[in-house]
Amino acid sequence: DARVTQTPRHKVTEMGQEVTMRCQPILGHNTVFWYRQTMMQGLELLAYFRNRAPLDDSGMPKDRFSAEMPDATLATLKIQPSEPRDSAVYFCASGLDLRDRSADTQYFGPGTRLTVL
Amino acid sequence: GENVEQHPSTLSVQEGDSAVIKCTYSDSASNYFPWYKQELGKGPQLIIDIRSNVGEKKDQRIAVTLNKTAKHFSLHITETQPEDSAVYFCAASSFSGGYNKLIFGAGTRLAVHP
Repeated sequence: DARVTQTPRHKVTEMGQEVTMRCQPILGHNTVFWYRQTMMQGLELLAYFRNRAPLDDSGMPKDRFSAEMPDATLATLKIQPSEPRDSAVYFCASGLDLRDRSADTQYFGPGTRLTVL
Repeated sequence: GENVEQHPSTLSVQEGDSAVIKCTYSDSASNYFPWYKQELGKGPQLIIDIRSNVGEKKDQRIAVTLNKTAKHFSLHITETQPEDSAVYFCAASSFSGGYNKLIFGAGTRLAVHP
């Protein structure tokens, strides 16, 4: 069955290193959301893409985070340089925006658990 | 900003009992209310959702009710089973910046004891 995939599932890195997380949305979906989940903050929205265009990245620390969609089957979230406070689980979700102002259903991937030492 | 409050934060029930989780939201324009189940080490999985033109929706052992006047909605799980143990999140849609985002509750950790 169709599902969102994310790689890697786990990443341990040292402070200052670059981290790239990848997401493959469900085929045919035209929206992608990036979230970060921590015990303290819960689920935080980092970025939103529609038809590959970044429409909202207000949730991301601008100086170190960047998100892109090189094509319709790949979304990336990059952290450079990484810091210990970035340790969290990062989720990608995809949906289908019908442009009728009704909210699209979001389907989540399995997440990338990031640990920055 | 918009807010969703979820109660209780933890819930412990005996197998076979019912479980109810409640959420309130602040954005009166919200029109979509999904519920997600998250098991350990996995991503949130959509289990049921409801749109504002419907007051109640049921799918086997789970049901969701919506009271738009009071701005609250609830998840009901009947005949609970150990495999229902997980963290459950409610969410409400909020249209801003030209798109609908989901505002999530803080989650309810449900434990079903055999």
